[in-house]
Amino acid sequence: DVKVTQSSRYLVKRTGEKVFLECVQDMDHENMFWYRQDPGLGLRLIYFSYDVKMKEKGDIPEGYSVSREKKERFSLILESASTNQTSMYLCASSRDRARDTEAFFGQGTRLTVV
Amino acid sequence: GENVEQHPSTLSVQEGDSAVIKCTYSDSASNYFPWYKQELGKGPQLIIDIRSNVGEKKDQRIAVTLNKTAKHFSLHITETQPEDSAVYFCAASRGGSYIPTFGRGTSLIVHP
Repeated sequence: DVKVTQSSRYLVKRTGEKVFLECVQDMDHENMFWYRQDPGLGLRLIYFSYDVKMKEKGDIPEGYSVSREKKERFSLILESASTNQTSMYLCASSRDRARDTEAFFGQGTRLTVV
Repeated sequence: GENVEQHPSTLSVQEGDSAVIKCTYSDSASNYFPWYKQELGKGPQLIIDIRSNVGEKKDQRIAVTLNKTAKHFSLHITETQPEDSAVYFCAASRGGSYIPTFGRGTSLIVHP
């Protein structure tokens, strides 16, 4: 089974802190994604990556950055956390760009910024 | 870019009833349409998907239909059970883009 693991289930951070959310997948997938989930807004794409050291902006990249130094690991960085970044963050991976296939999601990280 | 609309946002049914969730998409080049189920405290998980060369697909109590002309697709759950209670997301992606665009989700509540 594909496993996507996010490092934390719950995080509480202070305004202005630099926050790192880590995600690891174990199936050699090329594509990795970070989504933000808010009630009534569904899943909104923050950043994605289709290869090591490659990254592309999604629909809502402002206030975020990402890092992909190794194929299995994709990190989301909040440079200076703000209260409007309180949300559920979901990491996902999919096989490659050759054909659209299912995305496998992690369990989510619920981030609260106070 | 692609835009996916999903309705209803909340659906409440009695156990044993059928449930239908509908989605429309805007990009006529989209050709892959997955459905995900998100249970409380978990990430979304694929339950069924359909590609544009197929009009209908069934898996036990779950079926998905696709109308490419009208650009809409639907999820049908028959004989609903309390464990079907969850948030369901539809998605669409275009061949070669590999990035799904999600609908806003439907909260399905099945009353025993």
